[in-house]
Amino acid sequence: EIVMTQSPATLSVSPGERATLSCRASQSVSSNLAWYQQKPGQAPRLLIYGASTRATGIPARFSGSGSGTEFTLTISSLQSEDFAVYYCQQYNNWPPVTFGGGTKVEIK
Amino acid sequence: EVQLVESGGGLVQPGRSLRLSCAASGFTFDDYAMHWVRQAPGKGLEWVSGISWNSGSIGYADSVKGRFTISRDNAKNSLYLQMNSLRAEDTALYYCAKVAAEFYYFDYWGQGTLVTVSS
Repeated sequence: EIVMTQSPATLSVSPGERATLSCRASQSVSSNLAWYQQKPGQAPRLLIYGASTRATGIPARFSGSGSGTEFTLTISSLQSEDFAVYYCQQYNNWPPVTFGGGTKVEIK
Repeated sequence: EVQLVESGGGLVQPGRSLRLSCAASGFTFDDYAMHWVRQAPGKGLEWVSGISWNSGSIGYADSVKGRFTISRDNAKNSLYLQMNSLRAEDTALYYCAKVAAEFYYFDYWGQGTLVTVSS
């Protein structure tokens, strides 16, 4: 099973600042990586797939990069609605698909 | 508009069974694989099980293998999860999720149905 490790667990950022979230895979997943945003009481929402392709309707301030085992989600200028928990997910090997433990982006 | 509506959750005693359903609409259901993902209270996302469009390919997390059974009825646009021998650690919000095309990431999620396993 591929283990996904996200860091940091919590990221404190001021509105308007850049946020950089990391996700590491225990073995290569090529570019088969997705990012999700989850707000309290809501289902996860797809942000990024293929490591760097924004899903429909996702603002350009969200960007993804990386391949193999190291991936990054960058939010260029945090808006109030971006404070949430973010998960990465690999889908290179199934079953199982696996999620990272999440990074909570909170207001500094 | 794609909609996924889960049902069937509730409070159940350890060792008992429960069957979850997911009603799908707004897309051609039998074109897509479907999955179940769960989230224990205050915890992260855990993939549970997935099924291909024609039920020909099925997978389970090790934590539920042998106890849970996924199935689908394409005529009814519905996905199911039969959960047997439930344990306290199965307590979670269970989401139904649609995969995007042939890749197993999830472009639509339901709002979830809560399963609580407790005596």
